[in-house]
Amino acid sequence: EPEVTQTPSHQVTQMGQEVILRCVPISNHLYFYWYRQILGQKVEFLVSFYNNEISEKSEIFDDQFSVERPDGSNFTLKIRSTKLEDSAMYFCARGTGVYEQYFGPGTRLTVT
Amino acid sequence: GIQVEQSPPDLILQEGANSTLRCNFSDSVNNLQWFHQNPWGQLINLFYIPSGTKQNGRLSATTVATERYSLLYISSSQTTDSGVYFCAVEKYTGANSKLTFGKGITLSVRP
Repeated sequence: EPEVTQTPSHQVTQMGQEVILRCVPISNHLYFYWYRQILGQKVEFLVSFYNNEISEKSEIFDDQFSVERPDGSNFTLKIRSTKLEDSAMYFCARGTGVYEQYFGPGTRLTVT
Repeated sequence: GIQVEQSPPDLILQEGANSTLRCNFSDSVNNLQWFHQNPWGQLINLFYIPSGTKQNGRLSATTVATERYSLLYISSSQTTDSGVYFCAVEKYTGANSKLTFGKGITLSVRP
């Protein structure tokens, strides 16, 4: 199976700044997901994206977060105004909605 | 939502030893996956195993769906097996699907 790739691998930003995390390239998959893992904790679901629409989002995914596929292949997660507690590893995953999900290598976001 | 419990939370082994990692879940599921998180933080797919038994080299997994648990077996452990092992489950509800993770089992294999 082709891997999911994510960029950047590590991003440092100041509190209040906007960040965009990218999941590239993706092809021929209908389901995309973003998960978050705060250091030392379990992986948590943020949002699922099906057929170019959000299909489900968690309580974590508030108005500061948004997702889109701007060019039909890249899948992005935007955090509008970062907070210290947004520091975490963010994983993109792909799936078919029926079988297993495959995870990208993650983007480590550090908010200072 | 579904609850996922993994045990033991921490495990220390001597190289060459065998181990069993357990995952209990609170509801029927359509998907169960085991992951290994390496020191770089990457989640490596080990098994997709909603039911039955699978083997891949020194690793094998068994899921007993009717009793809501899964086991991951590591035989002849190596230091490279160290890391965190996550179990994650998914229950399909129409167009919505998401994995719910356990808290993980931290495995340390000593030379």
